Amino acid sequence: DIQMTQSPSSLFASVGDRVAITCRASQSLDSHLNWYQQKPGRAPKLLIYAASSLQSGVPSRFSGSGSGADFTLTISSLQPEDFATYYCQQSYSTPLSFGGGTKVEIK
Amino acid sequence: QVQLVQSGAEVKKPGASVRVSCKSSGYTFTDYYMHWVRQAPGQGLEWMGWMNPNSGGTNYAQNFRGRVTMTRDTSITTAYMELRRLTSDDTAVYYCARDSGSTLYGTVFESWGQGALVTVSS
Repeated sequence: DIQMTQSPSSLFASVGDRVAITCRASQSLDSHLNWYQQKPGRAPKLLIYAASSLQSGVPSRFSGSGSGADFTLTISSLQPEDFATYYCQQSYSTPLSFGGGTKVEIK
Repeated sequence: QVQLVQSGAEVKKPGASVRVSCKSSGYTFTDYYMHWVRQAPGQGLEWMGWMNPNSGGTNYAQNFRGRVTMTRDTSITTAYMELRRLTSDDTAVYYCARDSGSTLYGTVFESWGQGALVTVSS
């Protein structure tokens, strides 16, 4: 089974900050890595698929990079609506698995 | 637009079973795999398995094999997830999530239901 490790588990940032969240897999995923945003009491929302492809309707301040086992989600200029928890998910093989999440909080 | 509408919250006693439904609309139900993902209170996301609505075929995560059954009723475009022999560890929000249908990128959870809270308590 593939293990996914996200870091940091939480971070404090201000509006306008550049934020980077990393995700490391226990084996190579090629580019089979997706990112989701979840707000309290809501279902997750797809942001990035295939490591770097922006889902339709997602603001361009979100970007993804990486391949193999190391990936990064970057928010170029944090907006008030971006305070949420972010999860990575590997789509390389079953059982599908998620990272533990990164909570982005207001500084 | 794609919509997945799940059944409401449930309270169950230990040892009981629960069935959560997921009503789909806005797309051809049989064209896209349906997955189930759960989230315990304050915890992360856990994949439970998928169902092929066209064939009825399933693939369950090892943690749930023998206790979970995923089915569908194509006439009403609804997917179901039944979990048996519930314990307090099964208290969670259960989500249905539709696959994007891409063969290039693996399973991408493109659309999600709103979630159904299942509480297991004596």
